Amino acid sequence: DSGVTQTPKHLITATGQRVTLRCSPRSGDLSVYWYQQSLDQGLQFLIQYYNGEERAKGNILERFSAQQFPDLHSELNLSSLELGDSALYFCASSPRGRETQYFGPGTRLLVL
Amino acid sequence: KNEVEQSPQNLTAQEGEFITINCSYSVGISALHWLQQHPGGGIVSLFMLSSGKKKHGRLIATINIQEKHSSLHITASHPRDSAVYICAAQGGSSGDKLTFGTGTRLAVRP
Repeated sequence: DSGVTQTPKHLITATGQRVTLRCSPRSGDLSVYWYQQSLDQGLQFLIQYYNGEERAKGNILERFSAQQFPDLHSELNLSSLELGDSALYFCASSPRGRETQYFGPGTRLLVL
Repeated sequence: KNEVEQSPQNLTAQEGEFITINCSYSVGISALHWLQQHPGGGIVSLFMLSSGKKKHGRLIATINIQEKHSSLHITASHPRDSAVYICAAQGGSSGDKLTFGTGTRLAVRP
């Protein structure tokens, strides 16, 4: 158990819908990262938050957004969902930045 | 060309064999991570290296900064080592985020 929690574990939805994925980092970790793992793209960085502020942005679509709240949990919002958004979404946390990252169990999203 | 390359992509070994997985990167980094992804999907961080060598149980990771190359070794492999092993580069122009290799799928047969 990494100490990072993600909900829900599984999500099935339809094209065009909007979903919210939630991540609670390890106690005391200030950095939260979101990654997407699809079959054809492997693991890709989406976005990083540090202590409530966006720190880095990767290959995140405009239809996707994220935020980190004062209690340091983070949410990833995916809207206007397409079939290609079906993937495993992981969040990871670290104390500050360039350290070991602890991964949550992931949310498996299936868009039908 | 990917910034992080792994080889081999697939590896099958007999129980007890010594296993080596290689990772090359083309960018300047501050650290190289080795991750293990279980068949169920969960990801576990094995090592974070910035120089030299680290050992944990039967796992050994090395890095050569000058050659931009890292290796993960598994001694006395066991079927429970069957997983996907992923190297990831951190730092340099990438900042804190991880840039991942494509992974090595390892199957250890009893």
